[in-house]
Amino acid sequence: EAGVAQSPRYKIIEKRQSVAFWCNPISGHATLYWYQQILGQGPKLLIQFQNNGVVDDSQLPKDRFSAERLKGVDSTLKIQPAKLEDSAVYLCASSLTRAETQYFGPGTRLLVL
Amino acid sequence: KNEVEQSPQNLTAQEGEFITINCSYSVGISALHWLQQHPGGGIVSLFMLSSGKKKHGRLIATINIQEKHSSLHITASHPRDSAVYICAVPRGSGGGADGLTFGKGTHLIIQP
Repeated sequence: EAGVAQSPRYKIIEKRQSVAFWCNPISGHATLYWYQQILGQGPKLLIQFQNNGVVDDSQLPKDRFSAERLKGVDSTLKIQPAKLEDSAVYLCASSLTRAETQYFGPGTRLLVL
Repeated sequence: KNEVEQSPQNLTAQEGEFITINCSYSVGISALHWLQQHPGGGIVSLFMLSSGKKKHGRLIATINIQEKHSSLHITASHPRDSAVYICAVPRGSGGGADGLTFGKGTHLIIQP
């Protein structure tokens, strides 16, 4: 069974630029999560989707971050414009449905200069 | 908001030792997760448990819902067990917001 796929794996941008991350969850998984992990800290939830609907985006900085999962499968997370403090690993996870084991992708390492 | 506390933060042990990592949380939950993260690597789910005890190979996880406490044990520890072990709980009360709140992790090093 293929795992959660993410791309790109690494990205370096300058502050005020825009960046987008892509996630393809495990086939059939209805629930998708985006987490931000800053170096030395535990991951922090940014947004949770159930199919193509948002369940929880209370910790998403909506002035610069946006995410979508239009067809209930792949998801894109965008930052516009990026700040230095956005340097982190962005992790995507999926689960069969809510309250199930979450499977994590390899993450996208973002460095904002 | 659920607060998750783990102890110890760092643990160095000799190969073969019995390892215990503790986790406590502040608000009642539907289930608790234990995860493993290797340096530079991804996160792997080890256990999701809502009561009692689960075992997988040399790993054992227990939870006491009344005391809001869970433990992760590793028997016959091996250098390949060296990793960060993280305890996490759902953000919501179980009705839908299942994104996780993570503890700070326990950095485990097993020396040969």
